[in-house]
Order: sequence, then C-alpha cells, then structure tokens
Amino acid sequence: KNEVEQSPQNLTAQEGEFITINCSYSVGISALHWLQQHPGGGIVSLFMLSSGKKKHGRLIATINIQEKHSSLHITASHPRDSAVYICAVPLISNFGNEKLTFGTGTRLTIIP
Amino acid sequence: GAVVSQHPSWVICKSGTSVKIECRSLDFQATTMFWYRQFPKQSLMLMATSNEGSKATYEQGVEKDKFLINHASLTLSTLTVTSAHPEDSSFYICSADTGGSYEQYFGPGTRLTVT
Repeated sequence: KNEVEQSPQNLTAQEGEFITINCSYSVGISALHWLQQHPGGGIVSLFMLSSGKKKHGRLIATINIQEKHSSLHITASHPRDSAVYICAVPLISNFGNEKLTFGTGTRLTIIP
Repeated sequence: GAVVSQHPSWVICKSGTSVKIECRSLDFQATTMFWYRQFPKQSLMLMATSNEGSKATYEQGVEKDKFLINHASLTLSTLTVTSAHPEDSSFYICSADTGGSYEQYFGPGTRLTVT
C-alpha cells in the first residue's frame, strides 16, 4: 500500500464543473503539498497546508489531520486547468531527514 | 518570489558523454536542494538531497558516482550525469527550500535524452 494515495487517477469534466481530487496518507505528517504539473513538465506548488483550508482564486485545498485526508477543489473549471495534480507529504527517510513522498497524481482534463 | 530556475531546459547527448544540469534559486537562499527524476506517466522519485557545503545524501538505488551532485553555494546546485546511457533519459527536476518551513519551490525541469 502506498503511503500517499490519490483518487481519481484520471478525471475528465466539462468546462465549468466543480472538481474534487482526493489525497489520503497513512502516516503522521507536518504539512501536505498540492502541486500542479502541466504537459510541458514544469511543477508549480499550489498549496502547502497543515490544517484547515486554504483558497487561492478558484482553487481550494482542505485537510483533515485526524482522518489523514486532503482534498483539492477547483470551482468553475476551465480548459487551462488541465494538468496533473499531485499531492505530496514530507516523510522521514531512511537517513533521518524529511523528504517529500508523492502521490501518483490525478490527470485532469477539462473539455471546452 | 521564490523562483527556481534550471538550465538547460532540454538536452540531447550521446551515450558515454556527461551532462551537467544547473538548479538555481533566483531570489532566495536555499539551504537544501532536492533532485528528482520522473519517467513518463510516473510520479517524481527523489534521487538525492543536497545541503550547501556538504555531501549529498543519495536515495537507495541511486548511484553516487553516476549522478554527481554539487551544492557549491546557497543559490546553486548542479547534477552531473556521467557516462550517460539511454536509460538515463528522463525528466530531471530540482526543488529548493529555505529551511524549517517545509515549503519547497520547484524548478521547471530538464528533459534529458541520451541517444
């Protein structure tokens, strides 16, 4: 079982739909990251959150530390939101330092 | 703020040659830089963690002598792929943090193709 699991793996929706992507993790964490990777490959950090909720434009991220679950929501989705969304959590590596462990990503396609 | 650049953005090289990829933090000092590789349709895999002025810490299975990492200053880390093979073809991404805040800022990535 992966330490960080995302669902769904793929999501296709019509422009304007409300989008939800989920992330569950199996260990205690200090913070959770939501990242966006466009087809060109570059990664943008969308949110880092350790409790509650954060909002940036049409993007909203929530986290429930007790349930070890986070969600990323996109309101009024647009074709330019099409990308892979990745959640990542810092875990302690075998060497004792913190390293990000990534979910497998959710490929989102918004159809005009 | 918090911009990380990588150079080159893409490179094609022949088998057996070495390739150097640079990662720079443009507007902040990065105490730690991370190097990842990503194969098509797969997630990022951490290769190594480097702290300025000290040796990099490599993840299990990553060859230290093949992937040389140098973190010479608080704004620059380099990854050199030595004696490149076609199976080294991948997308290499660096990230940097300022220390203590868990924030990581990612570079745009470098696509390496070894022929």
